[in-house]
Amino acid sequence: GENVEQHPSTLSVQEGDSAVIKCTYSDSASNYFPWYKQELGKRPQLIIDIRSNVGEKKDQRIAVTLNKTAKHFSLHITETQPEDSAVYFCAASMTQGAQKLVFGQGTRLTINP
Amino acid sequence: GAGVSQTPSNKVTEKGKYVELRCDPISGHTALYWYRQSLGQGPEFLIYFQGTGAADDSGLPNDRFFAVRPEGSVSTLKIQRTERGDSAVYLCASSLTLRSGSGANVLTFGAGSRLTVL
Repeated sequence: GENVEQHPSTLSVQEGDSAVIKCTYSDSASNYFPWYKQELGKRPQLIIDIRSNVGEKKDQRIAVTLNKTAKHFSLHITETQPEDSAVYFCAASMTQGAQKLVFGQGTRLTINP
Repeated sequence: GAGVSQTPSNKVTEKGKYVELRCDPISGHTALYWYRQSLGQGPEFLIYFQGTGAADDSGLPNDRFFAVRPEGSVSTLKIQRTERGDSAVYLCASSLTLRSGSGANVLTFGAGSRLTVL
């Protein structure tokens, strides 16, 4: 089955700097890659997703890149702000049908003022 | 409702007891999922429903776990003879359909039910 590895487990950056979180996956059949943000004690919230027919997607300060050949995808947050502090999870699944998401282990991002 | 609602938000029980966790999905969402999130880990898939039937229960860890969705809306996750290792946050999610058009199968999660087994 699918296995998703996420790095780093913790990341601390200065406010205004960029943050990058990387994930690798094992199943070449996976073609849907969402990113979730989870604040302490709250539900995971989808912040951006990418499907395998595109290599990059951007939404304001957040971007995701996908390299299907290497089976890895990354989250990029620019101009970080204190409210970006949270745990971020990557995930992988098939686009079609049920979203049996396989999640990475999470990255705790801390933005230092 | 406006979002996925889960009750109780917190449940503390003793080892060996029976527990029920409830999920009320977004109105009109036909697909419903249960995930389990242990401390410091990402969510793990347990089971999903399309309508009333459990379409895939391959993530349920053993036969002490069971879930129902009798009318195709609210779902209940049932755990028998609870063990300390069952302690986790149980997350419910729903999606409009299982088909991927226009993001209709994108998941929206609830806030979870935190289960603590003493």
